[in-house]
Order: sequence, then C-alpha cells, then structure tokens
Amino acid sequence: LAKTTQPISMDSYEGQEVNITCSHNNIATNDYITWYQQFPSQGPRFIIQGYKTKVTNEVASLFIPADRKSSTLSLPRVSLSDTAVYYCLVESAGRRALTFGSGTRLQVQP
Amino acid sequence: ETGVTQTPRHLVMGMTNKKSLKCEQHLGHNAMYWYKQSAKKPLELMFVYNFKEQTENNSVPSRFSPECPNSSHLFLHLHTLQPEDSALYLCASSQLAGGRATSTDTQYFGPGTRLTVL
Repeated sequence: LAKTTQPISMDSYEGQEVNITCSHNNIATNDYITWYQQFPSQGPRFIIQGYKTKVTNEVASLFIPADRKSSTLSLPRVSLSDTAVYYCLVESAGRRALTFGSGTRLQVQP
Repeated sequence: ETGVTQTPRHLVMGMTNKKSLKCEQHLGHNAMYWYKQSAKKPLELMFVYNFKEQTENNSVPSRFSPECPNSSHLFLHLHTLQPEDSALYLCASSQLAGGRATSTDTQYFGPGTRLTVL
C-alpha cells in the first residue's frame, strides 16, 4: 500500500489560498488520491478525489502531476471554519488504506 | 449529518465490563468499517465488511468482536478492555462499485463513540 507524507502543520490567515502537498512515491496504477477533512471529535469528511491532472469542486481543487508521485490540495480562500486536520489517502477499489496517516493540521488565523 | 449514526456518543466502562457500540447507515451502502483513533496515533482501520462478510481484520485483539447482521448495521462488541483501548471509535460506510471501477469508493463517517476504559 502506498505510504503518504504530509506536513505536520500549516498556518494561514483568513482569505488566503492554502496549498497542502502530499507525497506518495509508490502509488500504484489503480490507486486514486482522496483528501478528507476532520474537525475535533468528529469523523473525517470527504473533500475531493482525483486520479491525474486537475479536479475542482465547490470546496477545493486537487492538482496531480503526470508522474502522480505527489498531489496538492488547494483551498481557495480559507476561513476560520477551515481550521481542521486534512488527510491524504491513496487507495484503490477494494484496497482500503490501513491508516489515515498523521494528516496536516491547518490553523487559520483571523 | 452524513447518513451514518453511532450510539452511544460517549461510553465509560471498567475493564471487566461488556459493552457494544452500534453503527447504522441510511445510505444504502454495501460496505461498512470500524476505525480507531487514539490520542497519539493516526486513524487506524480495524475491520471491513463487504456485503455483511468480514473481509479485513487489521490485527485487532480478540477483545474487540465485530458483528454485521445486515448491510445497514454494524456492531463492535467490547469485553475485558484495557485503559489503552480508550479512543474515538469511528464507523464508516461506502458503496463498492461492481465491475470496472472508475474511481475508488468514498467513505462516509459517523460522529464516533468516545470510549474511556477505567
């Protein structure tokens, strides 16, 4: 299973764009990249998923280079409510990641 | 509200007690999962059920016993737990696609049960 590496923490201010990068050097051909958000004492919540190039939804964008060995979650204009832990997962259909990893703790300041 | 409910939300138990955690999903999914999130460890997958059949047990001690009577309900039976088992226990569900998958399934998580073992 592909191992992921993310920064432990990041700080930002309201209104700024935040980019969180995840490394997954041994990603397999069938693997997809999924990002989740988790607030304290709650379950993780799906944000976005992609396989290659760029994916955008109403919440975020996901950039995946051609070699797929990394991915970047982009949050366009963060607010205080975006303060959370963000997890990058690499999974394929029927092959669940055994751990979410340590994630990236994002702190948004006023 | 994710469509996945868990009860109880908080549980305190002694090491000799027997208790059960309950999870119910209202999304029509065919797969359910138990995860454990300790204070100092990443979120860890414990059990996976596909179509009510257990397909994965991530080296979980036998004092944790899962049960999946149907595709909407999942239980985690607890007995003779240790204080280090205190954690947030999360249930999730997903829809596994048949045939050629165009993406991997997204998991929907419940709010969790905060368990404290004294």
